[in-house]
Amino acid sequence: GAGVSQSPSNKVTEKGKDVELRCDPISGHTALYWYRQSLGQGLEFLIYFQGNSAPDKSGLPSDRFSAERTGGSVSTLTIQRTQQEDSAVYLCASSLASTGYNSPLHFGNGTRLTVT
Amino acid sequence: QQQVKQSPQSLIVQKGGISIINCAYENTAFDYFPWYQQFPGKGPALLIAIRPDVSEKKEGRFTISFNKSAKQFSLHIMDSQPGDSATYFCAFHTGGFKTIFGAGTRLFVKA
Repeated sequence: GAGVSQSPSNKVTEKGKDVELRCDPISGHTALYWYRQSLGQGLEFLIYFQGNSAPDKSGLPSDRFSAERTGGSVSTLTIQRTQQEDSAVYLCASSLASTGYNSPLHFGNGTRLTVT
Repeated sequence: QQQVKQSPQSLIVQKGGISIINCAYENTAFDYFPWYQQFPGKGPALLIAIRPDVSEKKEGRFTISFNKSAKQFSLHIMDSQPGDSATYFCAFHTGGFKTIFGAGTRLFVKA
């Protein structure tokens, strides 16, 4: 079946502009995550959605970052007033439930964001 | 803050050789340890995972070894192939929803 889909695959924006990144999780997956991967770095947790529960936003680096998940499916990560340090690959992942041994993360291919 | 420390940062191995990547964790509360493999331009994908009640798990050429007393686990890739060239992430799952990732190891297998 279809995997996690992210769009756009690449985004170049000017400093100070707002950007929206989209994630379509695997159908039936109730948990959705956003991670950030800077060049040559590991995966930095940003935010987590599980069903209809309030999202855990503890990883968002500043109040310029926000995310929504509509109808328990599609999610949008919004970055306002982008800064050059926001340049990174933003990865979305979904899982069947909260992750466990039998419920691994399934990642999309990411959105590469470049802030000029 | 729970952390997992991964080494080496990069690794070059001859074709047919053994690739070894190590991870050390600090917290003792954990569910399982997954390893993810990431090719350039792609998202990470689960490669293999181990539960804490076993000391070793093997899947084909990939083996995870777990040393609970030393708080370490490692990935061994036997008979390494150029197609194994990728970035490998160890991870740490504590039973909540967060999966904490290591910094990654860039593996290059020379033909």
